[in-house]
Amino acid sequence: QVTLRESGPAQVEPKQTLRLTCSFSGFSLSTSGMSVSWIRQPPGKALEWLGRIDWDDDKNYNTSLRTRLTISKDTSRNQVVLTLTNVDPVDTATYYCARMWAAWYYFDYWGQGTLVTVSS
Amino acid sequence: QSALTQPASVSGSPGQSITISCTGTSSDVGTYNLVSWYQQHPGKAPKLMINEVTKRPSGISNRFSGSKSGNTASLTISGLQAEDEADYYCCSYTGTSTYVVFGGGTRLTVL
Repeated sequence: QVTLRESGPAQVEPKQTLRLTCSFSGFSLSTSGMSVSWIRQPPGKALEWLGRIDWDDDKNYNTSLRTRLTISKDTSRNQVVLTLTNVDPVDTATYYCARMWAAWYYFDYWGQGTLVTVSS
Repeated sequence: QSALTQPASVSGSPGQSITISCTGTSSDVGTYNLVSWYQQHPGKAPKLMINEVTKRPSGISNRFSGSKSGNTASLTISGLQAEDEADYYCCSYTGTSTYVVFGGGTRLTVL
């Protein structure tokens, strides 16, 4: 059974760094073709893909966040970490991690999401 | 403004069929058969309904079907049921540095 779960702070102050962890089970990020993406959704708004990390440590980021976003993985702990620097209130959103097959670009399993509010 | 264009809302009565469109460009929907659709109920995570334009994952009802023509992909739901009421998002790979784009979402109301 594949599960993913996001964890991290519920609130972050502007200009600070947001760090979220995606802990997963039921699959291995060392399996060829496997990938984990981060996707966010501001309250009442649409989904936005942020970036991904693949089984071979290849990474792709949304152009709009490339200078602030880093995604890393700890394969042995089955975790993927999102780091977003210099956050702004517009970064307030529910953040999801999702499993993705790297070649097919669809997200077949999602975490429940974690709401992060950027506010002082 | 989202990269893929969806109608803000659609509605239908139980038993009817509805279609949700998703219009992109030749850089995404028009070139790649990597369109997926997600259903999202309020307060819940999105759920994959269709991948690679027409494929239904295991466990998804055959009332849900996907298609594509040119730069526009479509999701059709037949035999509408009350539990289909949700937001629906399309998604596509794009052969640009953006990689993945979502639509703005469509609110389906079952009357």
